[in-house]
Amino acid sequence: RKEVEQDPGPFNVPEGATVAFNCTYSNSASQSFFWYRQDCRKEPKLLMSVYSSGNEDGRFTAQLNRASQYISLLIRDSKLSDSATYLCVVNGRNYGQNFVFGPGTRLSVLP
Amino acid sequence: DGGITQSPKYLFRKEGQNVTLSCEQNLNHDAMYWYRQDPGQGLRLIYYSQIVNDFQKGDIAEGYSVSREKKESFPLTVTSAQKNPTAFYLCASSIIGQGPAGELFFGEGSRLTVL
Repeated sequence: RKEVEQDPGPFNVPEGATVAFNCTYSNSASQSFFWYRQDCRKEPKLLMSVYSSGNEDGRFTAQLNRASQYISLLIRDSKLSDSATYLCVVNGRNYGQNFVFGPGTRLSVLP
Repeated sequence: DGGITQSPKYLFRKEGQNVTLSCEQNLNHDAMYWYRQDPGQGLRLIYYSQIVNDFQKGDIAEGYSVSREKKESFPLTVTSAQKNPTAFYLCASSIIGQGPAGELFFGEGSRLTVL
């Protein structure tokens, strides 16, 4: 089993739709959780960190379920500019040297 | 502006040649990393370093070498021993401290093509 798994995608949704991505991780000792966004042929950029209580940033909501080892990202009112690949990233330890990346889920928002 | 600078952005290499990818950061981060990304795949860790003059192998270190002579710099050499070096290479850095890890900051990447 891979350490971090994501919905395989791609997701093709119309503008204004709500879309949810799922991510599961295998290391129960994982400490930190992130969603990154990667545009085609560009570097990943942090979209949001994921906190135990769940957190929201505008149209984006991230949730963490430690018991099920599951992370989600919800995007409301999708924009064309949301089209990208979304990477789930998990860190298993303190001190930052063990970031594990999921394969990513591609989103295309259609006009 | 603080950030991570990678160069070159595009590089072509003939088989059998070594090439060195540059990575410089002015974020005063202790930890630096090199990742490789192949089409449709996630990032895989090549090497990382938490302190000057020390570095550790990641999951796919064979055929690569690094150095960390300065806190700001973490160059990656792709040697002729790397069987399939054509890929997108990403350098990143992060803070090291007590508690859960903070985010990774990435450079813009270097795209290496072997002819």
